[in-house]
Amino acid sequence: NAGVTQTPKFQVLKTGQSMTLQCAQDMNHEYMSWYRQDPGMGLRLIHYSVGAGITDQGEVPNGYNVSRSTTEDFPLRLLSAAPSQTSVYFCASSYRAVGGGGTEAFFGQGTRLTVV
Amino acid sequence: KQEVTQIPAALSVPEGENLVLNCSFTDSAIYNLQWFRQDPGKGLTSLLLIQSSQREQTSGRLNASLDKSSGRSTLYIAASQPGDSATYLCAAAGVATNKLIFGTGTLLAVQP
Repeated sequence: NAGVTQTPKFQVLKTGQSMTLQCAQDMNHEYMSWYRQDPGMGLRLIHYSVGAGITDQGEVPNGYNVSRSTTEDFPLRLLSAAPSQTSVYFCASSYRAVGGGGTEAFFGQGTRLTVV
Repeated sequence: KQEVTQIPAALSVPEGENLVLNCSFTDSAIYNLQWFRQDPGKGLTSLLLIQSSQREQTSGRLNASLDKSSGRSTLYIAASQPGDSATYLCAAAGVATNKLIFGTGTLLAVQP
């Protein structure tokens, strides 16, 4: 069982560069989300999707873009990387939307991003 | 706005001891509360999920309780082992949102 797969595991970017963090799940989950984890801040929600073609903003969406063209994939795009975006990024999925009755969330192994 | 707090931030116990980790949330309108474990440099592993209609859930040496009226959840670990050393996170799923709000975690060290 692959579960939630994130690529790459590590990335170093220069300020102003753009990149896409990949996230794929093979559990036919409707709900997918992206979090960033920073020391002392916990995990904060960036964007989420309740199904293909539907996305919405979380707590810290600025500087990030998402799309959901298929059920399986939910890429996160950094438009113009800034040092403040240095963080560990986690993708998560669950069978149904969290607010629609709640089901267990499964997380990927994370992408450690450094912006210099 | 939902806020989730975990106390203590760090805990060190000798092997074999029973322990309790605490999680509190400000908005009692939640669908569920989930406990996770995170090892250094790794992702989050789901431990227990408690629906809002439930009072507790058990898995092996772990028992999680939920008291919505007081805005509290606890994770009880029986007979702790060095392999239990990790960061434990709780997260509340709000009724009014499609969002899972996390606490900042408790770093547990079990000394052999």
